[in-house]
Amino acid sequence: DSGVTQTPKHLITATGQRVTLRCSPRSGDLSVYWYQQSLDQGLQFLIQYYNGEERAKGNILERFSAQQFPDLHSELNLSSLELGDSALYFCASSVDPPGRNTGELFFGEGSRLTVL
Amino acid sequence: GEDVEQSLFLSVREGDSSVINCTYTDSSSTYLYWYKQEPGAGLQLLTYIFSNMDMKQDQRLTVLLNKKDKHLSLRIADTQTGDSAIYFCAEGSWGKFQFGAGTQVVVTP
Repeated sequence: DSGVTQTPKHLITATGQRVTLRCSPRSGDLSVYWYQQSLDQGLQFLIQYYNGEERAKGNILERFSAQQFPDLHSELNLSSLELGDSALYFCASSVDPPGRNTGELFFGEGSRLTVL
Repeated sequence: GEDVEQSLFLSVREGDSSVINCTYTDSSSTYLYWYKQEPGAGLQLLTYIFSNMDMKQDQRLTVLLNKKDKHLSLRIADTQTGDSAIYFCAEGSWGKFQFGAGTQVVVTP
């Protein structure tokens, strides 16, 4: 158990819909990362938040957005869903600040999204 | 992870050694990592190496780093069926991590 909790574990929805994925980081971790894992594109970094602020952005579509709340949990919002958005979405957290740790990421078990 | 490349599949017999290779592009990375993903689970850190090291050994695991060629390898000695998983190479410093596509390792009896 990594200490990172993601809900829901599985989600099936239709094209055009909107979903919200939730992540609770490990106790004390300030950074939250979102990744998308699909068969054809591997593990893609989407976005990172640190203590409530966006820190780094990767290959995140404009239809997707995220935020980190004062209690440090994070939500990833996916809208106008397309078939190609079907994937496993991982949340990870890490200990900060930089220079004082190895940068290890602790991953949740993922939320599997199926768009029909 | 277009900046980190690794082979997609490796089949190995139980008891043999496995070697997974990875190449990366960002020479400023502070650490290089190997993560393991078992079926139905998230990624879990297996081992890491600081960028100024050449080798790190941890029980059955040996990590070799050739910084000049930007090549990283993971050797698993005496591979067991429980080692069947997807192995991800990653490079990074705080806040920036690039993962490879993952190498699926299948251990056969």
